[in-house]
Amino acid sequence: SSELTQDPAVSVALGQTVRITCQGENLRAYYVSWYQQKPGQVPLLINYGKNSRPSGIPDRFSGSASGSAASLIITGVQADDEADYYCNSRDSSGNLWAFGGGTRLTVL
Amino acid sequence: QVQLVQSGPEVTKPGASVRVSCKTSGYTFTSFGISWVRQAPGQGLEWMGWIGVYNGKTYYAPKLQGRVTVTADTSTNTAYMDMSDLISDDTAIYYCTRTTKGRLDSFDYWGQGTLVSVSS
Repeated sequence: SSELTQDPAVSVALGQTVRITCQGENLRAYYVSWYQQKPGQVPLLINYGKNSRPSGIPDRFSGSASGSAASLIITGVQADDEADYYCNSRDSSGNLWAFGGGTRLTVL
Repeated sequence: QVQLVQSGPEVTKPGASVRVSCKTSGYTFTSFGISWVRQAPGQGLEWMGWIGVYNGKTYYAPKLQGRVTVTADTSTNTAYMDMSDLISDDTAIYYCTRTTKGRLDSFDYWGQGTLVSVSS
């Protein structure tokens, strides 16, 4: 099975740096991917693997991992970054995926 | 450009079945997988299942095993998600996503979503 745990909500001041974390034992073996979802929109892949970003995603969004935890770090937070953020990874079998519960980011 | 275009909204009753389609274009359909993800109103994302279009293998979330079937038609580059024995808790937006292969996998392109409403 796979259980990924995220803080339900995080807030950050405009222009500051925020870290959104994702915890799960399977993260010791599998990479995590991160998705941003704004209200009424389709989720968007923003970071995956060893801190890779799809084309068009600014380098303000970076990923890191250590042991059973992974983080999405957003530097120079902008008002437009206010969204829900989800982590995703595989389970212990390697055949299934699971999402974390999501973190709602509020920009103050 | 890569596109995944899903079928329209569905309104159905408890106990019924539903099929959602996902027409793809702009890439080699048989080189990737397709995953299905759903989101109930006001809730988070839930991974439902995956098909490796290149090998025909399928895997499903344990809680949905037996009710969900994911297929792919390589002649039309279209994926399908069938769900049976619907209950009200299945009311959600259903997304298809292109799933990349390997250890650096991700859901890199998403369909626009299909709202499935289950109500008596």
